[in-house]
Amino acid sequence: QSALTQPASVSGSPGQSITISCTGTSNDVGAYNYVSWYQQHPGKAPKLMIYDVSNRPSGVSNRFSGSKSGNTASLTISGLQAEDESDYYCSSYTSSSNVVFGGGTKLTVL
Amino acid sequence: EVQLVESGGGLVQPGRSLRLSCTTSGFTFGDYAMSWVRQAPGKGLEWITFIRSKAFGGTKEYAASVNGRFTISRDDSKSIAYLQMNSLKTEDTAVYYCTRGSSPDYSDYWGQGTLVTVSS
Repeated sequence: QSALTQPASVSGSPGQSITISCTGTSNDVGAYNYVSWYQQHPGKAPKLMIYDVSNRPSGVSNRFSGSKSGNTASLTISGLQAEDESDYYCSSYTSSSNVVFGGGTKLTVL
Repeated sequence: EVQLVESGGGLVQPGRSLRLSCTTSGFTFGDYAMSWVRQAPGKGLEWITFIRSKAFGGTKEYAASVNGRFTISRDDSKSIAYLQMNSLKTEDTAVYYCTRGSSPDYSDYWGQGTLVTVSS
């Protein structure tokens, strides 16, 4: 199972919106609405930000939103804040009953 | 408060075995799927295994990279998940995270991680 494809890095200025893409195949992202997104600050455990494509866990800011079209999922962060600077990972359930992660995207807030 | 605490990591020689434990509290352990995710130094996240709750058959799945060498198990009476790692390789060196999920496809709580170093 190959990793999902994410851009290595994205950047934006405070207040702007950014979108991180996550491209898979018809055997993972395209097969189910089981895409999730995680935020990981250096030296910390990942934190769930979005699950099942577009659902936000309790306590996660509504500035974070998720969507999917075909084999590509996206995470959008609106109203960028300095604290959003972090690594972001997508993951998807697969038709092999496994889970696969993306390679990760480093978000820089300029 | 939901807590997951991994233990059992450390330095081990290639070919040897190690067992990780994930001690949990603050939720009804038996109602949840449990997973292990690892992260090699400076690298991304890699899912390695999950075990469903008994309500969903308690079935287990493994990544190809560990299938046949690693075994996940759970003790619902103690609220502990385990990861038995055999025939360890240098490429298994990573921080190992224990995670919880209402279903196996996502992890809503993570432990702090335990470092496993495989080296001679």
